[in-house]
Amino acid sequence: EDKVVQSPLSLVVHEGDTVTLNCSYEVTNFRSLLWYKQEKKAPTFLFMLTSSGIEKKSGRLSSILDKKELFSILNITATQTGDSAIYLCAVESGTSYGKLTFGQGTILTVHP
Amino acid sequence: SQTIHQWPATLVQPVGSPLSLECTVEGTSNPNLYWYRQAAGRGLQLLFYSVGIGQISSEVPQNLSASRPQDRQFILSSKKLLLSDSGFYLCAWRRPRDHTEAFFGQGTRLTVV
Repeated sequence: EDKVVQSPLSLVVHEGDTVTLNCSYEVTNFRSLLWYKQEKKAPTFLFMLTSSGIEKKSGRLSSILDKKELFSILNITATQTGDSAIYLCAVESGTSYGKLTFGQGTILTVHP
Repeated sequence: SQTIHQWPATLVQPVGSPLSLECTVEGTSNPNLYWYRQAAGRGLQLLFYSVGIGQISSEVPQNLSASRPQDRQFILSSKKLLLSDSGFYLCAWRRPRDHTEAFFGQGTRLTVV
């Protein structure tokens, strides 16, 4: 059974702090790992990772994948109150074509 | 461009009543379609996914069922709702066979009373 575990489950920081969110996975025949941000309703896409060691970056957010150790991290530098959200990690299995399994999410709260 | 429609946005239903949530996608063909449920402040639990018309994979044995009567239509149903069916239901689509992201609808907040 595919499994995605995120940590921490919740995190409270102050503006300007740097945070690291973790996502570990156990899937058969890994295809890709995706990060999403959810503020109110629909999750919005952040990154998709398929290869180890290649950092994806967008502004203050960056992410990297380690396929040997089966995990990914999402870094947010110089956090702002607008970064407060649930961050979701998902993994696609190649064995069960089309299956996209999410973790339990990390609730990030950034205080001014 | 592609869009996804999910309705209704909110729903309050009594225990034992039926349920039908609908999701449609425009601007693409043969999408992969997904139904997820989210408890308050938590991650997404995969309920059903479909890679083609009439092809439904069920992930969690429960009181719900899904159908895909048309290529871009995905329906989540129940014959008799339970209190535990309350939650936030999200529909999503994804292009087939590519390493691409999933796009989500705005969700349905279901409260069973």
